[in-house]
Amino acid sequence: SYVLTQPPSVSVAPGKTARFTCGGNNIGGKSVHWYQQKPGQAPVLVIYFDTDRPSGIPERFSGSNSGNTATLTISRVEAGDEADYYCQVWDSSSDHWVFGGGTKLTVL
Amino acid sequence: EVQLVQSGAEVKKPGESLKISCKGSGYSFTIYWIGWVRQMPGKGLEWMGIIYPGDSDTKYSPSFQGQVTISADKSISTAYLQWSSLKASDTAMYYCVRQQAVQDAFDIWGQGTMVTVSS
Repeated sequence: SYVLTQPPSVSVAPGKTARFTCGGNNIGGKSVHWYQQKPGQAPVLVIYFDTDRPSGIPERFSGSNSGNTATLTISRVEAGDEADYYCQVWDSSSDHWVFGGGTKLTVL
Repeated sequence: EVQLVQSGAEVKKPGESLKISCKGSGYSFTIYWIGWVRQMPGKGLEWMGIIYPGDSDTKYSPSFQGQVTISADKSISTAYLQWSSLKASDTAMYYCVRQQAVQDAFDIWGQGTMVTVSS
């Protein structure tokens, strides 16, 4: 089955840029969605279809997807961005959703 | 306001049955898929399956096929996740989610239902 690989953790200072990678075989040929989950809360969609932002999500959040890596980028990181971030794709070969293992963002 | 409201936390013993619910409001319940996502303590997200309330078309993750049953009652805009015999390893937070089409993102999440299975 399809596997998505995310680094366990990312650390960044406030005001800097955080990048979260999501690796998968030819993931550039799939649509990637990203979720933010703060401690004790349900996940929230932050990027869908590789690059689109739902209403209410700051412009600081952006996404890209090419080749074997999709990337979520948070510009001008704030303390409130501390959370786990998960990528997700639909595996059409087996008709089911796949999540990456998640990356924990620590704001230094 | 569009929302999914889940039933409350449950504490059960191994071998017991359980059915948790997810009620949709603020939108047309029958034209969106409802899915279920498991999150074990301290772990990541796992997709369990989805149902289309309009016609009860259901898809399961291979990992959960035969382990749970997903159903829906469109007359009361409610979806369900059911176990016939719980195990300690079913202890987790369970989220229901909404998506417009099968490959669309999960745009609305329920608040979660914590299920604890312990003797």
